[in-house]
Amino acid sequence: DADVTQTPRNRITKTGKRIMLECSQTKGHDRMYWYRQDPGLGLRLIYYSFDVKDINKGEISDGYSVSRQAQAKFSLSLESAIPNQTALYFCATNAGSGTEAFFGQGTRLTVV
Amino acid sequence: AQSVTQPDIHITVSEGASLELRCNYSYGATPYLFWYVQSPGQGLQLLLKYFSGDTLVQGIKGFEAEFKRSQSSFNLRKPSVHWSDAAEYFCAVDLTGANNLFFGTGTRLTVIP
Repeated sequence: DADVTQTPRNRITKTGKRIMLECSQTKGHDRMYWYRQDPGLGLRLIYYSFDVKDINKGEISDGYSVSRQAQAKFSLSLESAIPNQTALYFCATNAGSGTEAFFGQGTRLTVV
Repeated sequence: AQSVTQPDIHITVSEGASLELRCNYSYGATPYLFWYVQSPGQGLQLLLKYFSGDTLVQGIKGFEAEFKRSQSSFNLRKPSVHWSDAAEYFCAVDLTGANNLFFGTGTRLTVIP
């Protein structure tokens, strides 16, 4: 099994719909992250969590929310999807600053 | 402003040729430095990292990178590129005590036969 699993892998949704992207990890790490990848912009941090009770906004959190259901699970929600949220979304986990980050395979989200 | 710069958006090399991908950062102190590779349809995989010590670091798949403090650079190199190296490469920095990996915008590598 993959260290970091994201579901779904692909999703098309309509403007205004609520959608949840799920992430689970088997590394046993406390830290989990959600990134968004857009062509030419690299990866930008949406939210991060250092443990179940610690949730923090990243640089582009507007329009998103997260839930850390357990150490291994970190979900990203788009409350009311809009077309400019069309992107590739990655979940990642690491053991702390300076350590290797392990990434999921990504969720390609299209908002029409 | 603090940033990570990868000046080359797209590079094309012939199989067997050497490769150098550039990365510059602008931070006050030396951060942790990483190179990640993203193969098509895949997540990111760590190639190598630099924390301190020897400024030339070896990574997986025959890659190496050299940290140059005077130039605030951490360029990735490979002596002989293979077709399977075609991918997107991201430089990233992790500031001590920060909460995030800051990524460059990526360099897409095309390998021609």
